[in-house]
Amino acid sequence: ILNVEQSPQSLHVQEGDSTNFTCSFPSSNFYALHWYRWETAKSPEALFVMTLNGDEKKKGRISATLNTKEGYSYLYIKGSQPEDSATYLCAFGYSGSARQLTFGSGTQLTVLP
Amino acid sequence: DGGITQSPKYLFRKEGQNVTLSCEQNLNHDAMYWYRQDPGQGLRLIYYSQIVNDFQKGDIAEGYSVSREKKESFPLTVTSAQKNPTAFYLCASRSSGTDTQYFGPGTRLTVL
Repeated sequence: ILNVEQSPQSLHVQEGDSTNFTCSFPSSNFYALHWYRWETAKSPEALFVMTLNGDEKKKGRISATLNTKEGYSYLYIKGSQPEDSATYLCAFGYSGSARQLTFGSGTQLTVLP
Repeated sequence: DGGITQSPKYLFRKEGQNVTLSCEQNLNHDAMYWYRQDPGQGLRLIYYSQIVNDFQKGDIAEGYSVSREKKESFPLTVTSAQKNPTAFYLCASRSSGTDTQYFGPGTRLTVL
């Protein structure tokens, strides 16, 4: 079973703060790295899929970077808002896996007004 | 509206009973997945199906069974052989040629 680690496990920030969290994954047999946002009482929602080393993706105030050689991805949120409060999941897709994903345990972000 | 539905949202069963969780999608996706979430852990793959009438075991298939008789439906049965069935269960689907999985709202199963 592959090991996908996310840190920190939880995070509280003030509205307007910028924040970032980390996803670590195996550096071999890489296929894709996914980020999902999971708000309470809702379904997980896809944010980004990244496949190339050095990829950077951006969606509004949220961006992500990817380093496949060292096996990590960062998710950044600029100027956090209360509606950003959610659990952020990363998922590692490895080659030859029929597109299965291995999920980290998530970073739970709370943005305080 | 296109999407994935799971029913029921909450389910209570007595120990020793089998229970079936429903997952339906109208996205015309070929692949479907079942995950389990326990506190402090990532989503763990139970079973997946890439096409109708075919499915594969995931990492924690013991005590579970599935069927895929229709493209739209992928029910999960939690059998009495599953030693610790109380958990949150998520169903997902994916279109061929893409990697992104789309999730349902989940079912919380409590075995009393």
